[in-house]
Order: sequence, then C-alpha cells, then structure tokens
Amino acid sequence: QQQVKQSPQSLIVQKGGISIINCAYENTAFDYFPWYQQFPGKGPALLIAIRPDVSEKKEGRFTISFNKSAKQFSLHIMDSQPGDSATYFCAASPWGATNKLIFGTGTLLAVQP
Amino acid sequence: NAGVMQNPRHLVRRRGQEARLRCSPMKGHSHVYWYRQLPEEGLKFMVYLQKENIIDESGMPKERFSAEFPKEGPSILRIQQVVRGDSAAYFCASSPPNKAGSNTGELFFGEGSRLTVL
Repeated sequence: QQQVKQSPQSLIVQKGGISIINCAYENTAFDYFPWYQQFPGKGPALLIAIRPDVSEKKEGRFTISFNKSAKQFSLHIMDSQPGDSATYFCAASPWGATNKLIFGTGTLLAVQP
Repeated sequence: NAGVMQNPRHLVRRRGQEARLRCSPMKGHSHVYWYRQLPEEGLKFMVYLQKENIIDESGMPKERFSAEFPKEGPSILRIQQVVRGDSAAYFCASSPPNKAGSNTGELFFGEGSRLTVL
C-alpha cells in the first residue's frame, strides 16, 4: 500500500532521444507526485512535480504524465542530453499532511553522446 | 542563502561505536526529515521532526537509532552500537511550513553523510 514501484532500473538513451521512466502506486491517499534528480555524491533535488487535478505538466524538456485511474505516472525527458545523466526518483505523498515522501527505487539514466 | 548543511560528509566507525550525524536546515525551515539510502536502493524515510518535537518516527529502527531537533542547534541523528548493516548514506531534508502550518510539498536535501562501518 505504501510502495511506489519504479521502472526501469537503468536506462541508456542516445543524445537527442526521449527518456521515459515509469512509476506506479497503490495508496489512493497519495495526491502529490514529485520527481527528484540525483547526481553522484549529491543529494536529490526536486525536478518537477504534479498533483492529480491535471494529467500532464511540462517544464522545459521535462514532462510528467499522470493517469489517475491507472495509478501511474511517468517522466519524459525530451531531447535528452549527456548532462541529464543521473539517477531519477519518483515519489508520492499525501498533500499537506506531513510531506513524508515515499520514494521509488530509482532509475539510473545514462545519455550517450 | 545556504542550503541544507550536513556533517560530517563521510564517517567511518568500527562495529559497536556510536555515530552522530548533524543537519542544519535551510534558513526559515522548521521541518526536518531524515532518510537513509542503501547502495542500489531508493531513499527510505526514517523520521520527521519539528523543533523539539518528533512528529513521525515510523521509519526509525526500534533500537539503537534516535533523532532530535533541539530548540537551538542542528538536528542530530544518533546511531548507537553501529553494525555493518548501518553502512549507508543518510540524507537530511528540510521544508518550510505553509501559512496553515503544514507542508508545501518540496523537500530540500543536503548532500548526505556517508557512514561506513568496518
């Protein structure tokens, strides 16, 4: 109930390609879904987030697609660049209560030049 | 405006020793969270604190682990009698309260403290 399942575990994409990472959840109390980006040796940093009142949110090359009925959400990175190579974590929490985020297991993205 | 500050960045302990990890939240933030990241795994919630109060410690092991966030000074995560399985990166995060006193969503993470138990 509390888990967030993330796939794939690792992803290799050519420069300019589209990177897609998927997450699924079960707890219907979740209503805040952020994506965090983590570079080696650093802490995670918020990349983009969505709430379930919209099905898509776009910020630059990064887009979250959200399917409330399927309880799934995904991150799309358009025109992927070598500088996007990092580990990406999806997460979920109930909005406003405690901000206790439940994280997925992470996807290691490598963008090849 | 300094971010979340954690120290030490790296800590080596022998089995049975104590580890103390410190976290200073961002200025103006009154909510502190500790997460643990094991190799090849995601971040696991440990504890959520506000000044002088533990709000949620549902992710903390029942024994050997404790956390505090005193009125003055940094938050401390304390691990007593460390074992090899405690080797991990420990991340602190902070967030500001919204006007209603609950959270706004975003967590700001420090760079982590990497504990190695020999």
